[in-house]
Amino acid sequence: GDSVTQMEGPVTLSEEAFLTINCTYTATGYPSLFWYVQYPGEGLQLLLKATKADDKGSNKGFEATYRKETTSFHLEKGSVQVSDSAVYFCALRYQGGKLIFGQGTELSVKP
Amino acid sequence: EAQVTQNPRYLITVTGKKLTVTCSQNMNHEYMSWYRQDPGLGLRQIYYSMNVEVTDKGDVPEGYKVSRKEKRNFPLILESPSPNQTSLYFCASSSALGELFFGEGSRLTVL
Repeated sequence: GDSVTQMEGPVTLSEEAFLTINCTYTATGYPSLFWYVQYPGEGLQLLLKATKADDKGSNKGFEATYRKETTSFHLEKGSVQVSDSAVYFCALRYQGGKLIFGQGTELSVKP
Repeated sequence: EAQVTQNPRYLITVTGKKLTVTCSQNMNHEYMSWYRQDPGLGLRQIYYSMNVEVTDKGDVPEGYKVSRKEKRNFPLILESPSPNQTSLYFCASSSALGELFFGEGSRLTVL
């Protein structure tokens, strides 16, 4: 069946470090891919998305490229800030409405 | 303001006592869905609805019911709650393949 696998956390970085959070997926069709972010005590917010292979989503300095050949959608940011501390979720979604999340990766950025 | 509203935000109940968590959105979205969030498991989809009177099971529908009588509302019903349904629940809505908007979450404890 379809699934999303993220690298385990927590990930702890110093401010201005480079961030990569790995996400790989298994899909029977051609889903759209998403990254959501959850700040403490809040619901999830869309960070970025890509709807087809080779699309790059970007927002607030974060980027991810939909790689069909490696079934990956890794999240990157060149220089993290303390305010980026949150839990990040990779997800895939089909047009039919079914949506599958990864288990989440907690990021902690220290000053 | 565009929003998804869940109630109650916090609830402690006892095994077997029926409860309903309401969800309402003001964005005229066709798609609504329910998720539960548990440590280490990420978010798992319980049920989703593509439109009024159309609902489908997600990955973990056992023990839950939903209804979609109106476009704006999508209540989650636990007919006979059990302790393994203690969790943090999120409702979300979107247009067909658009951004998911999440509610703030409902923390349920079943004793």
